[in-house]
Amino acid sequence: GAVVSQHPSRVICKSGTSVKIECRSLDFQATTMFWYRQFPKQSLMLMATSNEGSKATYEQGVEKDKFLINHASLTLSTLTVTSAHPEDSSFYICSAREGGGYTFGSGTRLTVV
Amino acid sequence: DAKTTQPPSMDCAEGRAANLPCNHSTISGNEYVYWYRQIHSQGPQYIIHGLKNNETNEMASLIITEDRKSSTLILPHATLRDTAVYYCIVSPSDSWGKLQFGAGTQVVVTP
Repeated sequence: GAVVSQHPSRVICKSGTSVKIECRSLDFQATTMFWYRQFPKQSLMLMATSNEGSKATYEQGVEKDKFLINHASLTLSTLTVTSAHPEDSSFYICSAREGGGYTFGSGTRLTVV
Repeated sequence: DAKTTQPPSMDCAEGRAANLPCNHSTISGNEYVYWYRQIHSQGPQYIIHGLKNNETNEMASLIITEDRKSSTLILPHATLRDTAVYYCIVSPSDSWGKLQFGAGTQVVVTP
């Protein structure tokens, strides 16, 4: 079946620095990928839709200048958390649509100290 | 604005069938019903999806009412590894459809 690889699985960064998270579709091409954020004991919250070759579409309330999304190829989307602060600590998950379903990455646990 | 309603939690005995209900009374004609589950600290795992007809795969069965306003996910023989949060989601079938997660149902399978 379809596989989405997300890297890194865990990252700790200092406040004020930037962190890049990669999401790759391994055995299929994904023109559209999705980025989610999940805080402890909460559900997944959709942050943005990443479109290959064009600008991402952000959900209401998500700062596009803080969460930079690049989808330069049909198999890779990246999320960069810029000038990270402790409140950005969360579980970030990507997803790609393939056929009739959506496949999710294993998530990235970001801790900002 | 939640498009689906699920009970917040339910317990199930190991080896028994688990029936997870979901209400989606405002579902549109082009929207599918998707079920995913998330085991702690992992990405969501696809279970099954359907439009009108009942569906079955190696993991579960999906029963959709005739008016499509509700559905039930059936795990035929629950195991301890089925303990997870189960999400029922409705989404359009076109390629731009995105999955919006609600609160889901925390299912705990006990020995």
